[in-house]
Amino acid sequence: DSGVTQTPKHLITATGQRVTLRCSPRSGDLSVYWYQQSLDQGLQFLIQYYNGEERAKGNILERFSAQQFPDLHSELNLSSLELGDSALYFCASSVGNRGYEQYFGPGTRLTVT
Amino acid sequence: GESVGLHLPTLSVQEGDNSIINCAYSNSASDYFIWYKQESGKGPQFIIDIRSNMDKRQGQRVTVLLNKTVKHLSLQIAATQPGDSAVYFCAEMVYNQGGKLIFGQGTELSVKP
Repeated sequence: DSGVTQTPKHLITATGQRVTLRCSPRSGDLSVYWYQQSLDQGLQFLIQYYNGEERAKGNILERFSAQQFPDLHSELNLSSLELGDSALYFCASSVGNRGYEQYFGPGTRLTVT
Repeated sequence: GESVGLHLPTLSVQEGDNSIINCAYSNSASDYFIWYKQESGKGPQFIIDIRSNMDKRQGQRVTVLLNKTVKHLSLQIAATQPGDSAVYFCAEMVYNQGGKLIFGQGTELSVKP
């Protein structure tokens, strides 16, 4: 158990809908990272927040957004969902903002039908 | 462009043998490298990391070797056990890009009893 929690574990929704994925980092970690894992793209970095501020951005679609709250938990919002958004979404956390020793949560499996 | 690739998509070893998983990276500016293990249905699990100013680092039963001349990274697992069966990913990071990890495609390690 990495100490990172993600909810929900599974999510099934229809195209065009919007969903919110939630992540709680390990106790003491200030950085939260979001990654997408799909069969054709592998593990792709989406975005990083450090102590509430956006720190780094990857190839995150404009339909996707994230935020980190004062209690350091983070939410990833996915809107106007498409079939291709079906994937595993992982959250990771680390102590600092440099990205060392990122610990991953169990993931949320999103299925868009 | 940036890419981290693995030489072998699958590796099958006998229990008790040593395993070597290889990774080629293309970004010579990468400063930090990590190996992750991902078991079926779980998030990536941090195994070991190495910074670019080192060429070898040892952990418990694992050793990571970094050859910057040929941009090659390897993970050696001693006395491989059935519990080591998983997909192994290498990842790289450039310091000035925040915590963005770029992952390779993964190698599946299968340990035969």
